[in-house]
Amino acid sequence: DQQVKQNSPSLSVQEGRISILNCDYTNSMFDYFLWYKKYPAEGPTFLISISSIKDKNEDGRFTVFLNKSAKHLSLHIVPSQPGDSAVYFCAARRYNAGNMLTFGGGTRLMVKP
Amino acid sequence: NAGVTQTPKFQVLKTGQSMTLQCAQDMNHEYMSWYRQDPGMGLRLIHYSVGAGITDQGEVPNGYNVSRSTTEDFPLRLLSAAPSQTSVYFCASTRHMNTEAFFGQGTRLTVV
Repeated sequence: DQQVKQNSPSLSVQEGRISILNCDYTNSMFDYFLWYKKYPAEGPTFLISISSIKDKNEDGRFTVFLNKSAKHLSLHIVPSQPGDSAVYFCAARRYNAGNMLTFGGGTRLMVKP
Repeated sequence: NAGVTQTPKFQVLKTGQSMTLQCAQDMNHEYMSWYRQDPGMGLRLIHYSVGAGITDQGEVPNGYNVSRSTTEDFPLRLLSAAPSQTSVYFCASTRHMNTEAFFGQGTRLTVV
């Protein structure tokens, strides 16, 4: 039973437009959420995170929104750039759980020039 | 800055063979962990360590052993490789319990 789900395996967006990647979770014990970006043949790299006490966190072109009641989070990329084309993983962690992350299956984002 | 270094990058094993995947970090991080990535399943936690001498099982530990004799190194051992262990393996380290994890570049393992 997957506790973290990314229901869209892929997403295609035009350069300059907004990319919205979604993630749902089932475990109410999760209190910290992270997004990782992964290029082929590389390890995942940290992108942005959000604590469960917040509903929004912004870092440049990247914004993560958290809706605790719906157990849903989303990553917005505005404006999207071709270099953003990668696989994006949503991950969740329980409090004080160190690096014990539970990952979603990933969404492949393709930004077309 | 090396960060998290994994060796080898690629490996082909025959069923029943054993091998060790190496992971080293130079950031003096307390926490280290091993994940495997399979298509459509994201990354799943195999084993993790919260400090030298301390290890514990993750979500999919069967068929794997770990040890943590130093802060820097966290090797993953496959005692008797099986085709189901064909995957990409990632090692990660975290400075403290509530900070983000840094990942190595991965080891692609094929068991035939």
